[in-house]
Amino acid sequence: DTGVSQNPRHKITKRGQNVTFRCDPISEHNRLYWYRQTLGQGPEFLTYFQNEAQLEKSRLLSDRFSAERPKGSFSTLEIQRTEQGDSAMYLCASSRQGRLENEKLFFGSGTQLSVL
Amino acid sequence: QQPVQSPQAVILREGEDAVINCSSSKALYSVHWYRQKHGEAPVFLMILLKGGEQKGHDKISASFNEKKQQSSLYLTASQLSYSGTYFCGTEKASGTYKYIFGTGTRLKVLA
Repeated sequence: DTGVSQNPRHKITKRGQNVTFRCDPISEHNRLYWYRQTLGQGPEFLTYFQNEAQLEKSRLLSDRFSAERPKGSFSTLEIQRTEQGDSAMYLCASSRQGRLENEKLFFGSGTQLSVL
Repeated sequence: QQPVQSPQAVILREGEDAVINCSSSKALYSVHWYRQKHGEAPVFLMILLKGGEQKGHDKISASFNEKKQQSSLYLTASQLSYSGTYFCGTEKASGTYKYIFGTGTRLKVLA
């Protein structure tokens, strides 16, 4: 396994701009998750895909946030009209469907977003 | 609802033990434990599924109480490498795969 890869590692943008992040999960992992984490807090669930289907989306996620996973491989998270409150670390994780006791999340290193 | 972890922070000397708790107001389906070092991604430690279950490896173990509302992580004879923030990740129902992470416990092990 090469691990979960996220790009870019850092993104600085001005308020009102759109940003897009990419996540490449571990190959053969059919589940993919997006989380947001601010300093000193636990990861906050944003959305979850099984293959290409988006099965769950947090009610906290405004309509400025959208995620896709075409063909069930990599995923993108787009934030439109960014606000300063969007500044956070955006984490992607993947897991392989299988025996429940082995279904652990593998996290990427994250994309740190700073909105000025 | 976000599970509550206690304590919020703990400082230990090498060789000392620690217990971190993760509590929910409702029964959970499963609990995962992760450790995150500063500036790094969370790393999986273990998962518990059954009420009354206990499991562990090396000197880190965990339990899930019978009512499945509380899980505890036990760190025995702590090492410097144990420093980091520990999170429990909880799933309310089977098949949701919507893991809600706890408030976190910052652990610092001193030489």
